[in-house]
Amino acid sequence: EAGVTQSPTHLIKTRGQQATLRCSPISGHTSVYWYQQALGLGLQFLLWYDEGEERNRGNFPPRFSGRQFPNYSSELNVNALELEDSALYLCASRSLAGVWNEQFFGPGTRLTVL
Amino acid sequence: QKEVEQDPGPLSVPEGAIVSLNCTYSNSAFQYFMWYRQYSRKGPELLMYTYSSGNKEDGRFTAQVDKSSKYISLFIRDSQPSDSATYLCAMSATGANNLFFGTGTRLTVIP
Repeated sequence: EAGVTQSPTHLIKTRGQQATLRCSPISGHTSVYWYQQALGLGLQFLLWYDEGEERNRGNFPPRFSGRQFPNYSSELNVNALELEDSALYLCASRSLAGVWNEQFFGPGTRLTVL
Repeated sequence: QKEVEQDPGPLSVPEGAIVSLNCTYSNSAFQYFMWYRQYSRKGPELLMYTYSSGNKEDGRFTAQVDKSSKYISLFIRDSQPSDSATYLCAMSATGANNLFFGTGTRLTVIP
């Protein structure tokens, strides 16, 4: 069974630009979560999508947005990039049929803002 | 106050040592407690999870939860160089859809 995949592996942008990150969940998983992992801050919850709808978002500004497609893959968009947006962005998927909140993570996209 | 506190380390131990990793939390609604392992340049992978209080053992790994103290631990016996990674604790309330993570403890096991 294929795991969660993310693309690109690395992304380098300059301040003010926009970044688009992509995630494909495990087959059969309808929920996708996005996290930001900045140095020394641990995983910070960004967004949760399920069945194509945004279900919850973390304490991040509106320039962080995304969507989930009918095939349950997801896209994270970060507009007006700032230097502090440099981080590893992790996507996780989950089956809501499970009895608890087990999330499976992808390898992440390393975003560097210059 | 953060929901979950974890000593970031780094922690360096000789091969064969017993390692103790710990997290504290403030939300008494947390019922599911997880430990993830993250190797360099990889995403986190679930190592162990426990529900409510008690111990759970899996090979060289033991997870403990003390809900009265709001304290969880992961013990690694006979540590190996391959255990060198960052260990993240995570927690969730029943029925909740968000996980709350600690900042991670970076462990190095020296051969």
